[in-house]
Amino acid sequence: EIVMTQSPATLSVSPGERATLSCRASQSVSSNLAWYQQKPGQAPRLLIYGASTRATGIPARFSGSGSGTEFTLTISSLQSEDFAVYYCQQYNNWPLTFGQGTKVEIK
Amino acid sequence: EVQLLESGGGLVQPGGSLRLSCAASGFTFSSYAMSWVRQAPGKGLEWVSAISGSGGSTYYADSVKGRFTISRDNSKNTLYLQMNSLRAEDTAVYYCALILTASITMDVWGKGTTVTVSS
Repeated sequence: EIVMTQSPATLSVSPGERATLSCRASQSVSSNLAWYQQKPGQAPRLLIYGASTRATGIPARFSGSGSGTEFTLTISSLQSEDFAVYYCQQYNNWPLTFGQGTKVEIK
Repeated sequence: EVQLLESGGGLVQPGGSLRLSCAASGFTFSSYAMSWVRQAPGKGLEWVSAISGSGGSTYYADSVKGRFTISRDNSKNTLYLQMNSLRAEDTAVYYCALILTASITMDVWGKGTTVTVSS
């Protein structure tokens, strides 16, 4: 099973600032990496797939990068609606696995 | 509009069984793979199982293999998760999700149904 490790666990950021979230895979997943956003009481929402392709309707302030074992989700200028928990997920191998999440909170 | 509506959650005793359903609408159900993902209270996301559009291929997390069975009825546009030998650690919100492309990502999610395993 591929283990996905996200860092940091919590990120405190002021509105308008840039946020950088990391995700590391225990072995190469190529570019088969997705990012999801989850707000309290809601289902997750797909943000990024293929490591860097935004899903339909996702604002351009969200960008993904990386390949192999190291990945980054960047939110260029945090809006109030972006404070949430973010998860990475690999789909290179079965079983599919998620990271433990990074909570982005208001500083 | 794509919609996924889970049902069947509830309180069940350890060792018991429960069948979850996910009613799908707004797309050609038989053309797409589907998945179940769960989230224990206050915890992160855990992928549980997936099934191909035809139902011919199924996949499971090790934590549920041999206890849970995923299936689908394409004539009823419905996805199922049969859960047997339930344990306290199976307590979670269970989401069904639509996989739209060959990238096995959860593109559309339902609102979830809550399963509580407790005596």
